[in-house]
Amino acid sequence: GENVEQHPSTLSVQEGDSAVIKCTYSDSASNYFPWYKQELGKGPQLIIDIRSNVGEKKDQRIAVTLNKTAKHFSLHITETQPEDSAVYFCAASVWNKLVFGAGTILRVKS
Amino acid sequence: GAVVSQHPSWVICKSGTSVKIECRSLDFQATTMFWYRQFPKQSLMLMATSNEGSKATYEQGVEKDKFLINHASLTLSTLTVTSAHPEDSSFYICSARDRASPYEQYFGPGTRLTVT
Repeated sequence: GENVEQHPSTLSVQEGDSAVIKCTYSDSASNYFPWYKQELGKGPQLIIDIRSNVGEKKDQRIAVTLNKTAKHFSLHITETQPEDSAVYFCAASVWNKLVFGAGTILRVKS
Repeated sequence: GAVVSQHPSWVICKSGTSVKIECRSLDFQATTMFWYRQFPKQSLMLMATSNEGSKATYEQGVEKDKFLINHASLTLSTLTVTSAHPEDSSFYICSARDRASPYEQYFGPGTRLTVT
């Protein structure tokens, strides 16, 4: 079945710097790649997603890139702010099911 | 838009009892709902997929007789943990997919279950 690896497991950045989280997937049939932000004690919140027919998508400070050949996709957050601190999960959708990465704890230091 | 609610947000029950968790899509119709389980500091693991009006499909290793799922309408799915034991203590999260969109899943706020 699908396997999603996510790196790094923790990431500390200074406020205003950029943060990049990377994921790889194994099943070439995966066709949808969402990113979720989860705050402590809450459910995941969809922050951006990309479909397999698109290479890049941007929404204000957040962007996602997809390399189908290499089976890589990445989340880019620019001008980080303390409120960006949370756990971020990537996921890949195959046969309409989401398989999640292990998560990245992002800490933005002010 | 795309709001999913869960009730209760937390519950404590005694070992051997059953607990029901509700998941509702508030402003859209969800033909498919998903139930996940998340242990502390871990990722989300899919337990089952439920489609309105049909039986749920369980992932490998998930006991269907222990985790009863009912998806009675386009806005409501329930998860019942039967004969709960301390090892069932976890964070249970549902998600729903809008029938108008085949991709996005919108998650509920989660239910913290503690079995004593």
